[in-house]
Amino acid sequence: DARVTQTPRHKVTEMGQEVTMRCQPILGHNTVFWYRQTMMQGLELLAYFRNRAPLDDSGMPKDRFSAEMPDATLATLKIQPSEPRDSAVYFCASGLNTGELFFGEGSRLTVL
Amino acid sequence: QQQVKQSPQSLIVQKGGISIINCAYENTAFDYFPWYQQFPGKGPALLIAIRPDVSEKKEGRFTISFNKSAKQFSLHIMDSQPGDSATYFCAASNFGNEKLTFGTGTRLTIIP
Repeated sequence: DARVTQTPRHKVTEMGQEVTMRCQPILGHNTVFWYRQTMMQGLELLAYFRNRAPLDDSGMPKDRFSAEMPDATLATLKIQPSEPRDSAVYFCASGLNTGELFFGEGSRLTVL
Repeated sequence: QQQVKQSPQSLIVQKGGISIINCAYENTAFDYFPWYQQFPGKGPALLIAIRPDVSEKKEGRFTISFNKSAKQFSLHIMDSQPGDSATYFCAASNFGNEKLTFGTGTRLTIIP
């Protein structure tokens, strides 16, 4: 059963700490997206990759957020230092140029 | 030009009724319009999608109506069931490009 896997599912941390979220896209998919979901803003695109190359990270606060794909089976989203306003659910999604995105179950981040 | 506006923000419908969610877009280059369904604690999942060469697409109880001249599209759920209670997102993109612009979401509740 192919699915996008995200870890951790839940993370509570204190302001100023580093947070790393990981995503394993569906094997064979060549696009990977990071979205942030909040009640106020809905689904915001943070970054996306095609064939591991970053194509767009304009939605990401550059001073504290970074996204990478060290290899085809792993995408990471890092926040350093974290702030309370970063509290949200972060989704990773992958695709294969068909238009359909497959989402993981999300990482719920709470920054105290 | 990248916005997709979605309404209503929340919707309560009686079981057996018709649920209708509306979206409007601005970018005339968009040519792929999917709807995603999200249950609590899960990631969004593709429900149904349409391309602008047709004005309507139906899959079971779910129908997308598309009005190219008005730049609007809507989701109709016939014979709404409690299991349809979820958050629904409309989206738009260029077909084959999975960089989706999402609407803000509609929380649908079906009551007995």
